[in-house]
Amino acid sequence: SAVISQKPSRDICQRGTSLTIQCQVDSQVTMMFWYRQQPGQSLTLIATANQGSEATYESGFVIDKFPISRPNLTFSTLTVSNMSPEDSSIYLCSVVWGSHGNEQFFGPGTRLTVL
Amino acid sequence: AQKVTQAQTEISVVEKEDVTLDCVYETRDTTYYLFWYKQPPSGELVFLIRRNSFDEQNEISGRYSWNFQKSTSSFNFTITASQVVDSAVYFCALSEGRVSGYALNFGKGTSLLVTP
Repeated sequence: SAVISQKPSRDICQRGTSLTIQCQVDSQVTMMFWYRQQPGQSLTLIATANQGSEATYESGFVIDKFPISRPNLTFSTLTVSNMSPEDSSIYLCSVVWGSHGNEQFFGPGTRLTVL
Repeated sequence: AQKVTQAQTEISVVEKEDVTLDCVYETRDTTYYLFWYKQPPSGELVFLIRRNSFDEQNEISGRYSWNFQKSTSSFNFTITASQVVDSAVYFCALSEGRVSGYALNFGKGTSLLVTP
């Protein structure tokens, strides 16, 4: 299985600022995803970040608010821009493992609180 | 439309009881994958199982078992002889493979509380 780390593990930020979350994988993976989990809610896909192509955003998420970088096969960043309290969530990256997408592993998450 | 339905929001059982968590899914794809994840209070998502649409064989792993029935579009999860450490939120998820680029559609989760 892939081992995934995220930095920071948690942060408390002020309204209007931005935070960049890092996702590091111990193996090369093509497909990577970013999810958001709002308090007490399920996980919602933000975007797909495949290496070699622009990130693809889901409905309700835009690049200006959540810019993503995927410079290589083991690393990605998600930035939460111009934060508001509604952005308080756990942000998780995940990777697809196996040739048929039949394993998906998640990072430990970044718990963000916006004041 | 909700592709994964976990109708049970919260379940509370006493230790050693058996408990089944329901999951009903919806897809038009013939090739898809179903997953169960556990999210304990610490917050990390723990992968439990994945099933592909061509494999309806039920699976048992220790106290955990999964019942996949395509006829009813269900993928239910049973914990036998529950323990306090099983207390967590459990998510069922669907991946439609190439259609979705392997991204996961999650159900709303079932919060399981096991009391001593």
